[in-house]
Amino acid sequence: GQNIDQPTEMTATEGAIVQINCTYQTSGFNGLFWYQQHAGEAPTFLSYNVLDGLEEKGRFSSFLSRSKGYSYLLLKELQMKDSASYLCAVRVKGQNFVFGPGTRLSVLP
Amino acid sequence: GAVVSQHPSRVICKSGTSVKIECRSLDFQATTMFWYRQFPKQSLMLMATSNEGSKATYEQGVEKDKFLINHASLTLSTLTVTSAHPEDSSFYICSARRGRDYGYTFGSGTRLTVV
Repeated sequence: GQNIDQPTEMTATEGAIVQINCTYQTSGFNGLFWYQQHAGEAPTFLSYNVLDGLEEKGRFSSFLSRSKGYSYLLLKELQMKDSASYLCAVRVKGQNFVFGPGTRLSVLP
Repeated sequence: GAVVSQHPSRVICKSGTSVKIECRSLDFQATTMFWYRQFPKQSLMLMATSNEGSKATYEQGVEKDKFLINHASLTLSTLTVTSAHPEDSSFYICSARRGRDYGYTFGSGTRLTVV
């Protein structure tokens, strides 16, 4: 079976750092993706990890540990516009994705 | 680059009618496109994988006769919801990838409301 877990909701303060965790148990692994989705809009691609380690991209970083089935998305210098849902997705085989339930992040002033 | 256009963005239809949703890759060719459905406050669920020039691959539990997918060219895939019912009301999103070294791009989504 396929299972991806993320916290349902998180709250953080503008200017702070927040880490969103994702754990997965999937039949097959061919990369882990993070997407940002604002309410009523389609997801937008944030990051991609296929090897263990940290990928940094401006204010966003993503980490992967394949042996632990674990990833996190780190958001620095939070801005109000970062309030959104963050989806963790695993590409399980070929090009098929399994999406996690998403984490709704609220950034407070 | 790597823009995926989806149309319409919103549609309201009567129960029993059919609705067609288009997904176009504007600046690249996509041999494979993906169709997702997202219910309120839930994550994306893959419905089917659309392959250019061949039959779509449907996920378990998705009725292929109800959700017709056509991928007639390298830049266009269509999803037709046939005999729509209120429970089909959802956010439908397509996705495509430009090539192996590129990320996946989503269309803007279609909000379908069946009344």
